[in-house]
Amino acid sequence: DQQVKQNSPSLSVQEGRISILNCDYTNSMFDYFLWYKKYPAEGPTFLISISSIKDKNEDGRFTVFLNKSAKHLSLHIVPSQPGDSAVYFCAASADSGAGSYQLTFGKGTKLSVIP
Amino acid sequence: KAGVTQTPRYLIKTRGQQVTLSCSPISGHRSVSWYQQTPGQGLQFLFEYFSETQRNKGNFPGRFSGRQFSNSRSEMNVSTLELGDSALYLCASSRGGRAFTDTQYFGPGTRLTVL
Repeated sequence: DQQVKQNSPSLSVQEGRISILNCDYTNSMFDYFLWYKKYPAEGPTFLISISSIKDKNEDGRFTVFLNKSAKHLSLHIVPSQPGDSAVYFCAASADSGAGSYQLTFGKGTKLSVIP
Repeated sequence: KAGVTQTPRYLIKTRGQQVTLSCSPISGHRSVSWYQQTPGQGLQFLFEYFSETQRNKGNFPGRFSGRQFSNSRSEMNVSTLELGDSALYLCASSRGGRAFTDTQYFGPGTRLTVL
């Protein structure tokens, strides 16, 4: 049972355009969401996060939108740059009981930004 | 500031053996989390240690264990290795607020191959 789903394994975007990466979740207990970027042969790098009490968080070229009613999360990158080419993971955190938290990842979307 | 370091970077073991992986967090970070990445299951949370105590735990069998020392360095142990344990094992450190809400910094990982 995949609680966090990234339905697009890959995405290609022209340089300068907007990249939109999507993530759906099923567990209504998730209260904190994160996006990570991963280059080959490196560990993931934190990009941006959002608490469930917000619906938008912006950091430079990166904006994360949260639609709790739809259980949907998206990451917008504007403008896209070739250096953004990487695998992007969304992740969600919830209290699994007695104050113990878990972090659940999607399978990732490979973004290719074409110069 | 030195990043998160993991040793060894590569490891080959046979079924039934045990293995210990090491993670040195960023100086001043008190939380260390461990993750397993495989092609089939993606990134999965193993456990998190904070101030020498396991604070959060994922859904892995008891063969996977860990500990944290007073200098925040952490080790992860897998006993009775199975072929399915072949994976990239990542550790991440953070200052240690509520789990996963503080920015996590990942190491490059240890690639474990079980033959």
